[in-house]
Amino acid sequence: GAGVSQSPRYKVAKRGQDVALRCDPISGHVSLFWYQQALGQGPEFLTYFQNEAQLDKSGLPSDRFFAERPEGSVSTLKIQRTQQEDSAVYLCASSLTGPLLNTGELFFGEGSRLTVL
Amino acid sequence: DAKTTQPNSMESNEEEPVHLPCNHSTISGTDYIHWYRQLPSQGPEYVIHGLTSNVNNRMASLAIAEDRKSSTLILHRATLRDAAVYYCILMGSQGNLIFGKGTKLSVKP
Repeated sequence: GAGVSQSPRYKVAKRGQDVALRCDPISGHVSLFWYQQALGQGPEFLTYFQNEAQLDKSGLPSDRFFAERPEGSVSTLKIQRTQQEDSAVYLCASSLTGPLLNTGELFFGEGSRLTVL
Repeated sequence: DAKTTQPNSMESNEEEPVHLPCNHSTISGTDYIHWYRQLPSQGPEYVIHGLTSNVNNRMASLAIAEDRKSSTLILHRATLRDAAVYYCILMGSQGNLIFGKGTKLSVKP
């Protein structure tokens, strides 16, 4: 497709369930980012991939969060044993360059809204 | 990454220019200034970026102070579709975007 695609757009999970969120970046984009956006806040960085290598995972809030990009294209963000505080919009972004070299433009998907009951 | 400071909210009338300020007094010499905006229920969207000189594109203009400690995003004629949260971000060599809370722009018809 023309843009970054994320699925599902909406996910409701019971507390304690595992969830998986998928991101299809723009074809050929080297860099891929995951962000978490709580209601009324700006996006917060979670993790960054350059091709299949996860170069930065400093933003992952706990070891319940795991991200992978095994073939350097599609990425999955997995959250184990979800908690209510995990409720947020999870945004994926991709960029043609890698690394961004200060000038690259990030293209964002529309996000996956996770609600944990 | 260096921090930016923006007003929480601003209002504008349709078809009038809008000047969105951003302070970044701790900017380093290699940091680029990026602006993104986020419309309701959408992901952020790139608007413009610059280093030292003023920049223009089809969406907006970016005016950068001579000392680079502040910048202003200029929308020349606001439309209702420009109502969004505007984020001013400094991008360093590691290339990650660190968002603040941004400025919520309201446009009145």
